[in-house]
Amino acid sequence: EVLLVESGGDLIQPGGSLRLSCEVSGFTVSSNYMSWVRQAPGKGLEWVSVLYIAGDTFYGDSVKGRFTISRDTSKNTLYLQMDSLRVEDTALYYCARWGGYGYALDYWGQGTLVTVSS
Amino acid sequence: DIQMTQSPSTLSASVGDRVTITCRASQNINSWLAWYQQKPGKAPKLLIYKASTLQTGVPSRFSGSGSGTEFTLTISSLLPDDFATYYCQQYNAWPWTFGQGTKVDIK
Repeated sequence: EVLLVESGGDLIQPGGSLRLSCEVSGFTVSSNYMSWVRQAPGKGLEWVSVLYIAGDTFYGDSVKGRFTISRDTSKNTLYLQMDSLRVEDTALYYCARWGGYGYALDYWGQGTLVTVSS
Repeated sequence: DIQMTQSPSTLSASVGDRVTITCRASQNINSWLAWYQQKPGKAPKLLIYKASTLQTGVPSRFSGSGSGTEFTLTISSLLPDDFATYYCQQYNAWPWTFGQGTKVDIK
């Protein structure tokens, strides 16, 4: 059974840092394309980042230069390092598997809540 | 960035109705479009990818069509379980972008 479990969400002050984790079971993170998507309270979905199998990364304009996506093969876990956090980064953060070229985000976790507030 | 515009934003319908949601892209995205369903407090669920390919396990009352800049999601006969918010997403170019969502509620 495929399971993605996010953790690490918290209440943090503007300018702070946080690292989100996404523990995966049922498939190997390093052999799949992985992504983060966020959803501000009561709002729609916003794509954040993707990590290719080969290690290439892409980011949304609003997080570029502040967020870093990575993985730990030994722990089969995906991460999102979030620096210089802003109030507008407040959201539920989902990790998801991208099926690869031609495919979409087919497996999702339940999300972890990040609240940026003073 | 490619803008995705869904219409309508809200749709009131009854069980058994045929429902159609439209998604327009600000530029050509070929067929690189997905549809997701999201219920309150739950993660999005992939329904359709590549504009018209049904994800494994998704009921056949859901269908997708279109290419280029105009796409539709159709639910042939609405069931109680289908009341939810639906999002389109383009994955033709970075950054990927989502539509603003269409909420399907009970008339």
